Amino acid sequence: GDSVTQMEGPVTLSEEAFLTINCTYTATGYPSLFWYVQYPGEGLQLLLKATKADDKGSNKGFEATYRKETTSFHLEKGSVQVSDSAVYFCALKSTNDYKLSFGAGTTVTVRA
Amino acid sequence: EAQVTQNPRYLITVTGKKLTVTCSQNMNHEYMSWYRQDPGLGLRQIYYSMNVEVTDKGDVPEGYKVSRKEKRNFPLILESPSPNQTSLYFCASSSTQETQYFGPGTRLLVL
Repeated sequence: GDSVTQMEGPVTLSEEAFLTINCTYTATGYPSLFWYVQYPGEGLQLLLKATKADDKGSNKGFEATYRKETTSFHLEKGSVQVSDSAVYFCALKSTNDYKLSFGAGTTVTVRA
Repeated sequence: EAQVTQNPRYLITVTGKKLTVTCSQNMNHEYMSWYRQDPGLGLRQIYYSMNVEVTDKGDVPEGYKVSRKEKRNFPLILESPSPNQTSLYFCASSSTQETQYFGPGTRLLVL
């Protein structure tokens, strides 16, 4: 079945540092890929998505590129802020299916 | 404002006492789903519904029930809660096969 593996946390960074969170997936066909973010005490919000190979999703300074050859969708941000402290989830959705399969989540803490 | 709402946000109960967590969306979405979030496990789907009167099991349905009598509502029912159902629960909805919108979560503690 479909599955998502993302790097374990927690990750602690200083402001303006570079952030990478690795995400790889296993799926048949051509899934859509997502990054969701969960700020403290809140629900999940869509951060960015990519629906086909080589697509790049971007939002709020975050980027992720759909790499079919390496089955990866790594999240990056060049200069993090304290307000980026959150839990980040990688997820995939198979073609013609509504179901999302999530990774375990990575907790990111950014220190001033 | 387009949103998914859940109630209650926090709930402490005892083993065996039936409870219902409500979920409502105002976006006319066909698809609704319940997830539970546990440390180290991410979110796991409990039940989902493709439309009114159409529901199906997700990955971890044991101990839960759902109903979809109206398009906007999708309550989660725990007939006889047990401590292993202590978790953070999220409802989500979607109108397409892409973005899902999540509610704020319900934190449940079963003693």
